[in-house]
Amino acid sequence: NAGVMQNPRHLVRRRGQEARLRCSPMKGHSHVYWYRQLPEEGLKFMVYLQKENIIDESGMPKERFSAEFPKEGPSILRIQQVVRGDSAAYFCASSPEAGRSDTFGSGTRLTVV
Amino acid sequence: AQSVSQHNHHVILSEAASLELGCNYSYGGTVNLFWYVQYPGQHLQLLLKYFSGDPLVKGIKGFEAEFIKSKFSFNLRKPSVQWSDTAEYFCAVSRRNAGNMLTFGGGTRLMVKP
Repeated sequence: NAGVMQNPRHLVRRRGQEARLRCSPMKGHSHVYWYRQLPEEGLKFMVYLQKENIIDESGMPKERFSAEFPKEGPSILRIQQVVRGDSAAYFCASSPEAGRSDTFGSGTRLTVV
Repeated sequence: AQSVSQHNHHVILSEAASLELGCNYSYGGTVNLFWYVQYPGQHLQLLLKYFSGDPLVKGIKGFEAEFIKSKFSFNLRKPSVQWSDTAEYFCAVSRRNAGNMLTFGGGTRLMVKP
């Protein structure tokens, strides 16, 4: 069981570019959660998705951020027109059903220059 | 909205010392409680969790935590720390039957001196 796979591990983008972060959940897991960890802070919930559905996006910034979890393929967190304040570690977690503990991926560290 | 507070941001201990990290949450409903550890440069790993039953929970690597409902607390303990326990520790809470989204505390950085 390969665990939750996130790629890339490190991503550098210039201001104004787009960042695409990928998350492949554990086999058999249909619930995906994205969290953001800003420097020197704890993790903050962003969005909760099941296959083809966004269940809760209350933690997502209203602009420039979007997420999807298609029927086939990984979940994608997309950040358009990145700014320096988007620099953070983005973690994905998956679970087989709501109410179970999550398994976290290794994260993607985004640096905006 | 629920929140999670971890009282100690930085803790420095010598090997073999006892550890207790505080965690309090604010939410009046039924919750699931977790402690995660993040070793330098690595991802979060689950140390232990409480869903129901015995409020004293045993986790991996000799860690345990006690859920005290009346105090809204879920403190993490280890009787004797090792140098390899140097890491950041996060307490997290999710509301039962509400999607399992985790609300994390700000983390406690533990440094164990050899």
